[in-house]
Amino acid sequence: AQKITQTQPGMFVQEKEAVTLDCTYDTSDPSYGLFWYKQPSSGEMIFLIYQGSYDQQNATEGRYSLNFQKARKSANLVISASQLGDSAMYFCAMREPYSGAGSYQLTFGKGTKLSVIP
Amino acid sequence: GAGVSQSPSNKVTEKGKDVELRCDPISGHTALYWYRQSLGQGLEFLIYFQGNSAPDKSGLPSDRFSAERTGGSVSTLTIQRTQQEDSAVYLCASSLRGQGSNYGYTFGSGTRLTVV
Repeated sequence: AQKITQTQPGMFVQEKEAVTLDCTYDTSDPSYGLFWYKQPSSGEMIFLIYQGSYDQQNATEGRYSLNFQKARKSANLVISASQLGDSAMYFCAMREPYSGAGSYQLTFGKGTKLSVIP
Repeated sequence: GAGVSQSPSNKVTEKGKDVELRCDPISGHTALYWYRQSLGQGLEFLIYFQGNSAPDKSGLPSDRFSAERTGGSVSTLTIQRTQQEDSAVYLCASSLRGQGSNYGYTFGSGTRLTVV
């Protein structure tokens, strides 16, 4: 079973509008971390935002915010005031507690390709 | 260095040849990860190094894949007898410690491997 599900292969948004990228996750551990990364066409993975499972408030970083709904196991990324430079692939990822062989690696979703239209 | 450095950035090789991919993590980062990203897919974990501990090799897809990390710094991922399905972008990431920080893991720009 997939641990991270991103149901939107592609999204379009008008410049200056807000957009929500969906992410649902599956874990039985109470302690975990959720990350969003941006991957432009150049290929590097750029960290955007982090949400810990015990954090009481939704994470925010500038124009990025994470809509964390723990009971629904969803961690949607909201980008406000979209810019042309936001066009990229966006990946949701989860870090679970160490589980022997697990070694804290991140488990990634398949990504959403966001295109910002001028 | 300022970031995670990977070389080469692009590698084209013939099926059956061996290849070596290099990762130079951020100085002082004890944890190092290798991931593989196939076309249109998310990242797939391959291997993890933490300090002098035995590496976690649970993500390596076959025994043709191996990796080492010398002196707790530079890492080399080796793929023997390459197959066309090995074509992918290989990404390296490092962090201060195994569980990373709340600021995530720092990734390199990757090596795009094409097996022809």
